[in-house]
Amino acid sequence: DTGVSQNPRHKITKRGQNVTFRCDPISEHNRLYWYRQTLGQGPEFLTYFQNEAQLEKSRLLSDRFSAERPKGSFSTLEIQRTEQGDSAMYLCASSLSNQPQHFGDGTRLSIL
Amino acid sequence: DAKTTQPPSMDCAEGRAANLPCNHSTISGNEYVYWYRQIHSQGPQYIIHGLKNNETNEMASLIITEDRKSSTLILPHATLRDTAVYYCIVTNSGGSNYKLTFGKGTLLTVNP
Repeated sequence: DTGVSQNPRHKITKRGQNVTFRCDPISEHNRLYWYRQTLGQGPEFLTYFQNEAQLEKSRLLSDRFSAERPKGSFSTLEIQRTEQGDSAMYLCASSLSNQPQHFGDGTRLSIL
Repeated sequence: DAKTTQPPSMDCAEGRAANLPCNHSTISGNEYVYWYRQIHSQGPQYIIHGLKNNETNEMASLIITEDRKSSTLILPHATLRDTAVYYCIVTNSGGSNYKLTFGKGTLLTVNP
């Protein structure tokens, strides 16, 4: 069991730049989720895929955010024109239908 | 999803049982109780979940009251590595379990 893998683990960028994160779920998991966690808070749901279809997006996911899962395997989360408020830990999780979600260790984004 | 209430922090002596309470008085009949924990700088880790019956696995036991309005997570022999934030989450697990709503959780500190 290789677990959920997220890359990079840390990303530092200047305000206004675009960033992209990658998530590799556990093999054969059909569901993939993105969450965001700020300091001192629990993770907040951003979006969810079943296979390659994006089925739910939170209001937290502004127009500057886009997520894809083109072949129903790995997923990318892109943030365009980053802002200070985007600084957070971005977490990915995967699961089989109706089974518990398993999380990666996240990508920590710092905006200078 | 029903809201949960947890104490912000608890202490436990190493080797003793840690009992973490959670109130979920508005839980509905089709909602499950999930427990996750998050060790510093890691993603949340699934521990256990249940609907109405008590559950046990290699990590912990989950005791759900008969009226399902509260539950207790039991770590039978706490170790220093169990120091983490523990999240109690109530969610509809049947088919539409696509997002977890995390609160602030309970910071459990296991002392030597």
